[in-house]
Amino acid sequence: QSVLTQPPSASGTPGQRVTISCSGGSSNIGSNTVNWYQQLPGTAPKLLIYTDHQRPSGVPDRFSGSKSATSASLAISGLQSEDEGDYYCAAWDENLNVLFGGGTKLTVL
Amino acid sequence: QVQLQESGPGLVKPSETLSLTCTVSGGSITKYYWSWIRQSPGKGLEWIGYVYYSGTTNYNPSLKSRVTISVDTSKNQFSLKLSSVTAADTAVYYCARGGGYTGRFDFWGQGSLVTVSS
Repeated sequence: QSVLTQPPSASGTPGQRVTISCSGGSSNIGSNTVNWYQQLPGTAPKLLIYTDHQRPSGVPDRFSGSKSATSASLAISGLQSEDEGDYYCAAWDENLNVLFGGGTKLTVL
Repeated sequence: QVQLQESGPGLVKPSETLSLTCTVSGGSITKYYWSWIRQSPGKGLEWIGYVYYSGTTNYNPSLKSRVTISVDTSKNQFSLKLSSVTAADTAVYYCARGGGYTGRFDFWGQGSLVTVSS
């Protein structure tokens, strides 16, 4: 069981806005930044959001991140079929450990 | 553009040591943290540990007793050794840049499937 908690699944129709939550504690999200990864089927994870809300070069602005206290969220607007895949949050924990969320499988209906 | 490539045996026998190497190209291994991350079939991501280019390491507490990560700056490579493996260690193993006091990994290898079986 992951210390960072994500919903196992999320879904939406093309064009919709979807949000994925990531809940942690004071030793991880509460005191360190959150990062989000997108893993498309059969591929390696890709950095999608870093330092809570920053987008790496090349990531569309349809993807956005936010954080409040010990929880973070990833929002995807203008949902597209190619967004279907798994999404993971990650954060450093003060117990000297990197924690990943359990992952959320996004389905585009 | 930094690229990472894992290499090593795809099959390891139970109780033996899993060994993988990650070769970094397109950039220097110096001044960064480098991590190993694994993903069991159909499961989520698990951070194994990192090595700094200076050789400093830090490991996931749940794997610490079995893990060794080292770096060879002359070859722009870093390596993973996981001892006393069992079937539970069967996974795709990724190398990635980052992980030092952060959950940010900005470059990833394609992954290497390692199966533990006799």
